[in-house]
Amino acid sequence: GAVVSQHPSWVICKSGTSVKIECRSLDFQATTMFWYRQFPKQSLMLMATSNEGSKATYEQGVEKDKFLINHASLTLSTLTVTSAHPEDSSFYICSANPGVPEAFFGQGTRLTVV
Amino acid sequence: QQPVQSPQAVILREGEDAVINCSSSKALYSVHWYRQKHGEAPVFLMILLKGGEQKGHDKISASFNEKKQQSSLYLTASQLSYSGTYFCGTEPNTGNQFYFGTGTSLTVIP
Repeated sequence: GAVVSQHPSWVICKSGTSVKIECRSLDFQATTMFWYRQFPKQSLMLMATSNEGSKATYEQGVEKDKFLINHASLTLSTLTVTSAHPEDSSFYICSANPGVPEAFFGQGTRLTVV
Repeated sequence: QQPVQSPQAVILREGEDAVINCSSSKALYSVHWYRQKHGEAPVFLMILLKGGEQKGHDKISASFNEKKQQSSLYLTASQLSYSGTYFCGTEPNTGNQFYFGTGTSLTVIP
């Protein structure tokens, strides 16, 4: 199956700093990628749809200025959590679709803000 | 937008059957089913497209009733490896977003 690589797998950062998470499609091109956030024992909540070459589409309630998304190429989307706070600690995961209905997920990034 | 799943949690003994339901408020193009183990990414199980199809493999099958905007996942003769959280994922008729359901925690015990 298609491979989506997410980096880093985990990160610990200080409150007030920014963290960048990368999502790469390794063997296919993805014009659209999705970013999700998952709190413990909860579902994956769609944060935004990342569109190559254009602005991301954010879900209601997600702060655009706090969660910066850049989809500069057909194989890379990045999510930057700016001025991170402890409440931003969560499991962040991306997905991409290689043209078939099935979605492929990155390994996820566990962010801990201290 | 988020589909609602029921039950929220279920505990089974090995060999027992379970049904997990997924209900959406939007007209759907497709329903996907995933299983997630703790700390890992979701793993794809199957997809059902509108047209009211039913499909399965091995002892896991699913149905999709597009008129009711509902899907059900059937697990028969459950195995210990079936434990995890099951999510439905829905693709509405309009737009290209993909939403996960509220999740169902399934625990299979010996």
